[in-house]
Amino acid sequence: AQTVTQSQPEMSVQEAETVTLSCTYDTSENNYYLFWYKQPPSRQMILVIRQEAYKQQNATENRFSVNFQKAAKSFSLKISDSQLGDTAMYFCAFMKWPPIWGAGTKLIIKP
Amino acid sequence: DAGITQSPRYKITETGRQVTLMCHQTWSHSYMFWYRQDLGHGLRLIYYSAAADITDKGEVSDGYVVSRSKTENFPLTLESATRSQTSVYFCASSANQFTEAFFGQGTRLTVV
Repeated sequence: AQTVTQSQPEMSVQEAETVTLSCTYDTSENNYYLFWYKQPPSRQMILVIRQEAYKQQNATENRFSVNFQKAAKSFSLKISDSQLGDTAMYFCAFMKWPPIWGAGTKLIIKP
Repeated sequence: DAGITQSPRYKITETGRQVTLMCHQTWSHSYMFWYRQDLGHGLRLIYYSAAADITDKGEVSDGYVVSRSKTENFPLTLESATRSQTSVYFCASSANQFTEAFFGQGTRLTVV
């Protein structure tokens, strides 16, 4: 069975620090898509970044970047220069039919 | 306005009542989903749909039914609400099975 595992239920860092959230997955497929979503206290689900498995280059969106290790089936999210507004639940998702979601990591940015 | 909207945003109902949560999207996305999210937890898939008139059960479908007669609408019905169905419900849509899902604002349902 395909699974997505986020091993860190909760993390906290000081503002301006860099933090890395881990995500591992299990699949026998070769082509697939992976996503990180953010859910702030407002509950709105917001797409942070996506990675296509056939692309070797790691995706980057401003302060957010991923470390995609296809052979290791690892898809970690790095947040640089963290801000108070980054405080949220972060979910990793493996897009297939139907999608598979990790349990989430609660990230707290402290002033 | 383009997007995906859920109604109502908040609902309180009594045990045993039938309640329907509405979801409407304006993108003509083929794929739609219903999730529930219990306090402090992740998303659990209730039902999903690849197109109008095609629906499949997710991991927690007991006690729920869906219909999809039109591409843009995907209502979720709780046939006889129970307290364990108190949760936040999210509807989502995507253009295909590999692209990002867009989420509605969520419906907070309380069953008393």
